[in-house]
Amino acid sequence: KQEVTQIPAALSVPEGENLVLNCSFTDSAIYNLQWFRQDPGKGLTSLLLIQSSQREQTSGRLNASLDKSSGRSTLYIAASQPGDSATYLCAVRPAGGSSNTGKLIFGQGTTLQVKP
Amino acid sequence: GAVVSQHPSRVICKSGTSVKIECRSLDFQATTMFWYRQFPKQSLMLMATSNEGSKATYEQGVEKDKFLINHASLTLSTLTVTSAHPEDSSFYICSASRQDRQHTEAFFGQGTRLTVV
Repeated sequence: KQEVTQIPAALSVPEGENLVLNCSFTDSAIYNLQWFRQDPGKGLTSLLLIQSSQREQTSGRLNASLDKSSGRSTLYIAASQPGDSATYLCAVRPAGGSSNTGKLIFGQGTTLQVKP
Repeated sequence: GAVVSQHPSRVICKSGTSVKIECRSLDFQATTMFWYRQFPKQSLMLMATSNEGSKATYEQGVEKDKFLINHASLTLSTLTVTSAHPEDSSFYICSASRQDRQHTEAFFGQGTRLTVV
């Protein structure tokens, strides 16, 4: 059974710092891994999608890496800003079944606070 | 990115009544949609897979008679919480992926905050 773990559960940093969020998963048989952002009481915003054949993806100040064999992904946020404060969730799509479906297994999330 | 719209965003209902939540894919067709539930300060847990034109597939521990799912078209899935009780109060969120691509990205609705009083 696939399990996804995120460390740390919470993180508080001063504005401007670079930071890394960690995600690990127990079964390397995945189609892809996605990082999301969730603001309090809101839905999920997709940040980055990494296919199983890829090593990393970048979008602006965000960089996500994937090491499928070791079951790990990291989300790197450069030059953090107060507006980055949110909960960050990683989720994997298990391989098997129809590849056109979107069933995801989520980690518990890392709640980030960036202090001005 | 693709847009998934969920309605309503908030609902308060009395115990014993039923509540319907709609999930629409606005610019693509989705033969499969997913319904998740999120308790405060916890992650999302998959409740069921909604299949267009056929019965939904429920995860272990989810009561199919309490959480009725209908996926009547390629752009709409509905979740009805029947005979709601306070313990059903939660954040419900749906997702969908484009069906015409491999390894596609999942898009999520805005979520529905259900409060049963």
